[in-house]
Amino acid sequence: GQQLNQSPQSMFIQEGEDVSMNCTSSSIFNTWLWYKQDPGEGPVLLIALYKAGELTSNGRLTAQFGITRKDSFLNISASIPSDVGIYFCAGHPIQGGKLIFGQGTELSVKP
Amino acid sequence: GAGVSQSPSNKVTEKGKDVELRCDPISGHTALYWYRQSLGQGLEFLIYFQGNSAPDKSGLPSDRFSAERTGGSVSTLTIQRTQQEDSAVYLCASSFARGNYGYTFGSGTRLTVV
Repeated sequence: GQQLNQSPQSMFIQEGEDVSMNCTSSSIFNTWLWYKQDPGEGPVLLIALYKAGELTSNGRLTAQFGITRKDSFLNISASIPSDVGIYFCAGHPIQGGKLIFGQGTELSVKP
Repeated sequence: GAGVSQSPSNKVTEKGKDVELRCDPISGHTALYWYRQSLGQGLEFLIYFQGNSAPDKSGLPSDRFSAERTGGSVSTLTIQRTQQEDSAVYLCASSFARGNYGYTFGSGTRLTVV
């Protein structure tokens, strides 16, 4: 089935550093979504992108829908300890159907 | 309710017993999904209900797993004759059936088979 390649798998950074993670696909997506999962909780939607080239910010988070519609990135600026968690990308394939999820990026922030 | 509600939040069961996990989706969401997440792993799709259509069961790992959705709302995931490898967090999500909307997840049920 379709897969999203999400990288990196894990990141260990110092508080205050910027973070970047991305997802790529071999096929076109209509929508790109970024979720964050805190320990012991379900994933929570951070940002949704609906148009190729769209750049959207949510506080210190910025995400972009790639021009080719096959990729997306998420940046976190000036990381803080509460940014710790697993970040998932997800996308709606152009042919419809359920969301496809990436494998997640586990972020650790050292105070 | 305001969010997706799952119960129980934690379940410890003996190997070989059956378990039932419950999900109450957001009111008005006609699509409901079950995922499994093993420790430190990604989201493994299990089953998808949309309205009155036949469910997409393509992710169920074995015939010990089944799910139903009564009245287009509450869903129950049943695991028969549980095995230790069934230990995981089981997440439920719901969404509007149409449009490219994201899913809203519950907090999950942590299942431990001993």
